[in-house]
Amino acid sequence: EVQLVLSGAEVKKPGESLKISCKGSGYRFTSYWIGWVRQMPGKGLEWMGIIYPGDSDTRYSPSFQGQVTISADKSISTAYLQWSSLKASDTAMYYCVRHVRVAEPPDYWGQGTLVTVSS
Amino acid sequence: QSVLTQPPSVSAAPGQKVTISCSGSSSNIGNNYVSWYQHLPGTAPKLLIYENDKRPSGIPDRFSGSKSGTSATLGITGLQTGDEADYYCGAWDTSLSAGHVLFGGGTKLAVL
Repeated sequence: EVQLVLSGAEVKKPGESLKISCKGSGYRFTSYWIGWVRQMPGKGLEWMGIIYPGDSDTRYSPSFQGQVTISADKSISTAYLQWSSLKASDTAMYYCVRHVRVAEPPDYWGQGTLVTVSS
Repeated sequence: QSVLTQPPSVSAAPGQKVTISCSGSSSNIGNNYVSWYQHLPGTAPKLLIYENDKRPSGIPDRFSGSKSGTSATLGITGLQTGDEADYYCGAWDTSLSAGHVLFGGGTKLAVL
C-alpha cells in the first residue's frame, strides 16, 4: 500500500525557519516524483513543485520559485519542504503528493500537515 | 496562480446523478490529461479519475470522467450520503515559464 506520511503540525513565528518532511513507503521511492501542494485556510489547492528522488531533479511552480526549497534523501525515502524565513501568509495545510510522471497531476496524497505562522 | 474553473457547489438527492464541470484552456486541459480528486475533511484527497477517464482500482464505476476540448466533467451516479465531499480537478499547465499543475477551485457536493 502506497503511503505518504508527513511530519506533525508546526507553530512558528514570522522570520523563523522550518523544514517539514514526507516519508514514502509501499513503492520504489526513487522511481516516482514527490511534490508539495499548499491549501491556505478556506482556499483551493496550489501546486508548489516536485522532486525526483532518484537524481534530485527539482522543478518549481513559478509562484513558489525562490520562496521554498524542495529536497529529498533517498536513503530514508523522505522528501522535504523548507522555508528560510516564514511569513504569516505561509499559514496553510501542506500536502505531499506522488506523481507517476512529471507532466501529469499526482496520484497519491499524504494526509497533510498544518503550518501556523503567528507572532 | 490561475485556477481551473469549477462550480462552487452542486447538490442532488440520494440515488440521483450529478455532474461537475472543470473549464480550462489550451495550455492545460486542452493538451494535457485531467485528474479528479475527492477530498473529505481531515483526510488526504483521493484520486478518482486519471488520464481524463480512467478509474484507479477500487474506485466504483459510479464515478466517471470525460474531456472535450478545454473542459472536463466528473460524473457521479447513484449518489450516496458518503459522497458528500469537495471535488477537485487538476491538469498540467504550460502557460507560464515553467510547467506546473493547476487545480480547480473545488466543488462542494451536497447529497440532500
